[in-house]
Parts: sequence; C-alpha cells; structure tokens
Amino acid sequence: EAQVTQNPRYLITVTGKKLTVTCSQNMNHEYMSWYRQDPGLGLRQIYYSMNVEVTDKGDVPEGYKVSRKEKRNFPLILESPSPNQTSLYFCASSLSNYPSSSYNSPLHFGNGTRLTVT
Amino acid sequence: EDKVVQSPLSLVVHEGDTVTLNCSYEVTNFRSLLWYKQEKKAPTFLFMLTSSGIEKKSGRLSSILDKKELFSILNITATQTGDSAIYLCAVRSGNMLTFGGGTRLMVKP
Repeated sequence: EAQVTQNPRYLITVTGKKLTVTCSQNMNHEYMSWYRQDPGLGLRQIYYSMNVEVTDKGDVPEGYKVSRKEKRNFPLILESPSPNQTSLYFCASSLSNYPSSSYNSPLHFGNGTRLTVT
Repeated sequence: EDKVVQSPLSLVVHEGDTVTLNCSYEVTNFRSLLWYKQEKKAPTFLFMLTSSGIEKKSGRLSSILDKKELFSILNITATQTGDSAIYLCAVRSGNMLTFGGGTRLMVKP
C-alpha cells in the first residue's frame, strides 16, 4: 500500500533530550516535507527537501534539523527539545519535486506524531 | 510573507444544510490552491485549483477559484455527519506550500 509512515505516533519527552521522528515513503516521491500543526495556526512548514541531499528551511525551522540521505527517508531531529516544540507533526511527500505542480502530484501526509516536551 | 486566511474558524450546522468555506490568500508567485479534509489523522486531498472560474466537483463537494480577488470557496451541499472535519486550504507559491489555519466544521444529526 502506498503510504507515508511516521514513527512514533506519540512521544513524551523532557527538555533537552535529543529525539528523532522518522518518516518514510514507499512511493518513490521526490519531494518530502515536515509540518507542525498548532491550534489556530494551521500547518506550518519546518523543512522540505526537493531531492536527495537537498534540504531547505520552511517557515519555522528554528530548533529542528533534517537530512535526506536516501530518497525514501526524511527524519526530523530535535537536538534539544523545548516545551514550545510541543505540537502535532506531519511528514508529507509529493511525486513531483515541486509539490502540487500538477493534479497527480498533491501532498500525501503521514498519520502524524504527537510530541509533548515537558 | 505569504499569507493564507480561512473563514470562518468554526461552523456548526445540521445534516442537510449547505455550507460555504472561504479561503483568501496573498502570495508572491501563485501556482495552485488546494483543499484538504482532516478528520482524526492526516489531511486527505480534495481539490487542486489553478485556473479562475472553473469549478471542481466531487459528489457533494465543489470548489472554485477567483485569481483576481484572490480567494477560493469550498461548498458542501446536503451535509452529512461524516463531513465533520477540519478543512484546510493551502496555496503553492514557488516551491513552498502555505496552509491556512483551517475551518472546523461540525455537522449535527
């Protein structure tokens, strides 16, 4: 089944303890992206990648790192999490390296990771 | 800075009602506008709009784009309880996708 898989689904951690949220897609998609969703703020883009070894900052990249060493994986790394990073995180991918450039290239989302930093 | 604003923030209707959700935008290099439905998990794709005045339709849902006035509407006719969700609008500008804050729709039986 074609899908975007994130792990873990839920994570509770403490301030300063490094963590990684994994994201993998099995659709051979070029474009991958991370979003965080907070009440009233919608989805805000953290980082995106248009191709292997190519990553760019989105709207809210501070406190996050990413890597794209393989086409299928795009992990999100929080080196020193803080309580303001408590949020619902979504990974997404798109066939084209320009997301939504055509009707057959919308974003496909993972099921989300709910992160709580205490 | 690109901006996408959705209204209303939330809406409560009864089954059978018709609803109209709004999305306005200010972006530097418009490419497309998308609508997503988000229930409990991941947003799922509904429509992509690139041209003004051409209605996209899928069952009871339809959407249209006005590139002159910089907005789009999503209509849902004969609403059902299964339409209860957050509806997200997103605009592609260059190679970035900017989302609005969403409209939370609740359909009561």
